[in-house]
Amino acid sequence: DVKVTQSSRYLVKRTGEKVFLECVQDMDHENMFWYRQDPGLGLRLIYFSYDVKMKEKGDIPEGYSVSREKKERFSLILESASTNQTSMYLCASRARTGLHTEAFFGQGTRLTVV
Amino acid sequence: AQRVTQPEKLLSVFKGAPVELKCNYSYSGSPELFWYVQYSRQRLQLLLRHISRESIKGFTADLNKGETSFHQKKPFAQEEDSAMYYCALRYNFNKFYFGSGTKLNVKP
Repeated sequence: DVKVTQSSRYLVKRTGEKVFLECVQDMDHENMFWYRQDPGLGLRLIYFSYDVKMKEKGDIPEGYSVSREKKERFSLILESASTNQTSMYLCASRARTGLHTEAFFGQGTRLTVV
Repeated sequence: AQRVTQPEKLLSVFKGAPVELKCNYSYSGSPELFWYVQYSRQRLQLLLRHISRESIKGFTADLNKGETSFHQKKPFAQEEDSAMYYCALRYNFNKFYFGSGTKLNVKP
């Protein structure tokens, strides 16, 4: 059974705090993604990593950074959390090989910034 | 630029009625389209991909390049189909662009 695991289901942080969201996959996938999911806006890509130490900005990277030191782990970092970053965050992974392979998602982290 | 549009935020049907979830896309390359579903308190998971042309849980979807659409249909909706449905377009080889989602509510 494929697994993408996000370290927290719920997180409450204060404005200005540095926040780390962790994601681990056990499928040896090269590609990993961070999305945020907001009602009426769907999923928006924050950052994408196609290999260890490699990253690419998505559609809404402002206020976020990422780290991929090991193949199985992809971290999303909020350098200074703000209330407009309150959202559901989804991590996903996908194999590089195979044109039509699907993306597998984690269960999500609901972050509230107060 | 690539775009995926799901025109309906909410769709309510009665059990046993046909249902159609709409998706339109904009992409200059050769499109690869998917439908993902998220049931209550569960993770997002793949439902359909256009290349497979298969029926999953009674849902089928057809890619219409002329109308740039990838609508999915089910002839007889069930209560357990109630969920959030997202249409997704794969672009730049590895990235996915998701629509804003349609919440399907199947009433008893």
